[in-house]
Amino acid sequence: DGGITQSPKYLFRKEGQNVTLSCEQNLNHDAMYWYRQDPGQGLRLIYYSQIVNDFQKGDIAEGYSVSREKKESFPLTVTSAQKNPTAFYLCASSIWASGSYTGELFFGEGSRLTVL
Amino acid sequence: KQEVTQIPAALSVPEGENLVLNCSFTDSAIYNLQWFRQDPGKGLTSLLLIQSSQREQTSGRLNASLDKSSGRSTLYIAASQPGDSATYLCAVSEGASKIIFGSGTRLSIRP
Repeated sequence: DGGITQSPKYLFRKEGQNVTLSCEQNLNHDAMYWYRQDPGQGLRLIYYSQIVNDFQKGDIAEGYSVSREKKESFPLTVTSAQKNPTAFYLCASSIWASGSYTGELFFGEGSRLTVL
Repeated sequence: KQEVTQIPAALSVPEGENLVLNCSFTDSAIYNLQWFRQDPGKGLTSLLLIQSSQREQTSGRLNASLDKSSGRSTLYIAASQPGDSATYLCAVSEGASKIIFGSGTRLSIRP
């Protein structure tokens, strides 16, 4: 079945460590996104990518990094510079379109990161 | 700056009732509006996508409407069931890289 796979589902990190969250999609979508979700808040955009080898910062990119070497993969690294990394992280993808049409957004199951 | 609001934050109704969830936005220059469902600890599941040129979309017991001029969208759920209990989020798109989410309405259906 087509979809978005995030791993790991749960991750624990010690302070000072970098961790990488995986996101893979087989929907053949051009655009991929990383969002952060905190309790009681809406989703906030960390990074997005429209095409391979290109990505843009979102609203809360500080302390995070990404790469887009393949169309189907968009890993997120949470660095030690991120002051409050404990959160639920969601990866999404959509068809990239221009003009007045944008595609439906599909999400993975999420990764919960806890800093010890 | 676009703001998306969902009121109420939580709603509890008895099984079988028809109900309406609300989503309001401040800037009518949108490309589309999407409704999602989120179960605890899970990702978001897309329910309905309404393009800016459309007025409503239907899927099974769900019907979503869009009124850009008033900055409002509603999600109508007919004959609610306990399995409908979840958090429902709306998201407004101003472009493929500018998608603004509401904080959601937590819905509980009492058996």
